[in-house]
Amino acid sequence: DQQVKQNSPSLSVQEGRISILNCDYTNSMFDYFLWYKKYPAEGPTFLISISSIKDKNEDGRFTVFLNKSAKHLSLHIVPSQPGDSAVYFCAASVRETSGSRLTFGEGTQLTVNP
Amino acid sequence: NAGVMQNPRHLVRRRGQEARLRCSPMKGHSHVYWYRQLPEEGLKFMVYLQKENIIDESGMPKERFSAEFPKEGPSILRIQQVVRGDSAAYFCASSPPRFFTSGTHEQFFGPGTRLTVL
Repeated sequence: DQQVKQNSPSLSVQEGRISILNCDYTNSMFDYFLWYKKYPAEGPTFLISISSIKDKNEDGRFTVFLNKSAKHLSLHIVPSQPGDSAVYFCAASVRETSGSRLTFGEGTQLTVNP
Repeated sequence: NAGVMQNPRHLVRRRGQEARLRCSPMKGHSHVYWYRQLPEEGLKFMVYLQKENIIDESGMPKERFSAEFPKEGPSILRIQQVVRGDSAAYFCASSPPRFFTSGTHEQFFGPGTRLTVL
C-alpha cells in the first residue's frame, strides 16, 4: 500500500538546466507535503514544503507545485548545480492536533552533471 | 546549535542479540519519530513519541521492537533477538511542541544508525 510514489528512480540533468522531480499520492487526507534531500550516510534534510491550500511555494532555486485534483506534486530546481546531486524524497502528512507522521516515497536519485 | 543526535552511527549484531539505538532530539523538541529505511526503499514510519508517552506505534512490528522516550535522557529504540531482516538504517526525527500551529510540519532528522545483523 504505497500511498506516496515517486515513479522515477533516477534523473540526470546538465548543470544550469532545470531538474523536475515528480511525486504522486493516493490518500486524499494528506494536506501537507514536504521534500527532503538525502546524501549517502546522512539523514534527510528538509528542503521545502507546501500546504494543500496552496498550489505553489517557492524558496530560492526550489519551487514546489501541487495539483490536488491530480494528486500530484513536483519539485523544480533551477538552475541545477552539481551539489544538488542526492536522493530526493517526497513526503506527505495529515495535520493532527498533536503532531503527524510522514509518509515517504521511494526517492529519486538526482545527478547533476558539470 | 546541535541537531538531532543518534548513536551509535553503526551497530553490528549477531542474530539473536539485542540492539539499542539512541536518539537525542534537538533542544526544545519534545516530539520524537523513528523511521526505518531498508535497502533501496524509502523511509517507513515506525513510532511517534512524546516525553514518557507513545502517541502512535502503528508502524512498529508487533514483536521484538519497542521504543521509549523517558522524562530524562534520550529516546531508545530497542530490538530484541535481531534477525537478518532487521538490517537497515534507522532514523530518528524530532519536532518542537505544537509545531503544527506555526504552519510547518518539518521534522528534523538525525544522521541515522546503520544496523547490520550477521
